[in-house]
Amino acid sequence: ETGVTQTPRHLVMGMTNKKSLKCEQHLGHNAMYWYKQSAKKPLELMFVYNFKEQTENNSVPSRFSPECPNSSHLFLHLHTLQPEDSALYLCASSPASGSPYEQYFGPGTRLTVT
Amino acid sequence: AQSVTQLDSQVPVFEEAPVELRCNYSSSVSVYLFWYVQYPNQGLQLLLKYLSGSTLVKGINGFEAEFNKSQTSFHLRKPSVHISDTAEYFCAVIRNAGNNRKLIWGLGTSLAVNP
Repeated sequence: ETGVTQTPRHLVMGMTNKKSLKCEQHLGHNAMYWYKQSAKKPLELMFVYNFKEQTENNSVPSRFSPECPNSSHLFLHLHTLQPEDSALYLCASSPASGSPYEQYFGPGTRLTVT
Repeated sequence: AQSVTQLDSQVPVFEEAPVELRCNYSSSVSVYLFWYVQYPNQGLQLLLKYLSGSTLVKGINGFEAEFNKSQTSFHLRKPSVHISDTAEYFCAVIRNAGNNRKLIWGLGTSLAVNP
């Protein structure tokens, strides 16, 4: 595997379910990001991790819970979601955060909350 | 506060025609500038970036962009588009001084290339 991978690619879940999104980067980067992409809205940065430490949480509701066990893996744990949480969730990585380094994106997980 | 404005939400164009996708930004400090492309059902991929030096930046797939500091613009151009260029294009900026160095994204421009 190369680049940034995300699983699953598609997820349908009920409002009472618990599920997790997984992201893995094979680039040796130290920063990882979760974004939410909704139609007609700018990309919303949710969380940033640098060297496994969370450095940014952009007022994300607690029903989204990130986990970064090491610099290569990032999870987003989901529970009691709302229909408005349906979106494309993108994971990205970069050599470090807050720099001119480009971010490398995974293909995303298309989440539908019913 | 920083912001990025992509002036066109949709740009239809015929194959082999030239195209320009417009991006303006506001910032009180100097910035780095990026253009990303998102093909259907895929993540975002960097097309090109401006960090310093020559204001004309060349990227992948024949795209180029010009940084204009006085007009705070970073418009993306391609002299002749292909059907395969149909995608969503995002402009983004990041401050290169001070605190709060996060990427600020535009809303995107949907480029539709028709035969």
